[in-house]
Amino acid sequence: SQQGEEDPQALSIQEGENATMNCSYKTSINNLQWYRQNSGRGLVHLILIRSNEREKHSGRLRVTLDTSKKSSSLLITASRAADTASYFCATGGSEKLVFGKGTKLTVNP
Amino acid sequence: GAGVSQSPSNKVTEKGKDVELRCDPISGHTALYWYRQSLGQGLEFLIYFQGNSAPDKSGLPSDRFSAERTGGSVSTLTIQRTQQEDSAVYLCASSPIGLAGGRAGELFFGEGSRLTVL
Repeated sequence: SQQGEEDPQALSIQEGENATMNCSYKTSINNLQWYRQNSGRGLVHLILIRSNEREKHSGRLRVTLDTSKKSSSLLITASRAADTASYFCATGGSEKLVFGKGTKLTVNP
Repeated sequence: GAGVSQSPSNKVTEKGKDVELRCDPISGHTALYWYRQSLGQGLEFLIYFQGNSAPDKSGLPSDRFSAERTGGSVSTLTIQRTQQEDSAVYLCASSPIGLAGGRAGELFFGEGSRLTVL
């Protein structure tokens, strides 16, 4: 299975701190995506990193990809209470997009 | 509307009844996915439609589940003889890029249909 697995399962930090979430997967991929889900809502796409890229930035988000270790990390800098949500990685190859179980991030004001 | 629309947003049904969940994807999106999310869990892939190709039904958990996509647009997920373990949020997503050539594009999700089977 290409399923990504995030860790930690839950993360609680103070506003202003950085949050790092990790994703590991099992087989080769064409790209890896990160999504965010607020409680009771649908998922929102955050960033896509292709297999030939090592790092990508978008605002306060930084994503890295290490294909040799089959892992990715999502860093949220200077976190805000509004960043409180669940974060999922999704891996896509030549098959369907498969999601992990997510990291639940709580940012305390 | 501009986004993916799902209906109903909430559905409570009795065990053994059939339910239909509807998804209106973003206009022009060729790919459409159904996922299931149990409370506090990740997304479980159910089915994937891409253009006129045969759908990937590999995630459907049993033959009680079926889905169709009419005219390459609206999709309906049907669950027959519902069971309590079918209770979950059913999420639909569409994408302008399919998986042909190994390109999985960004997915746009609806808000989901919450199904409760009593």
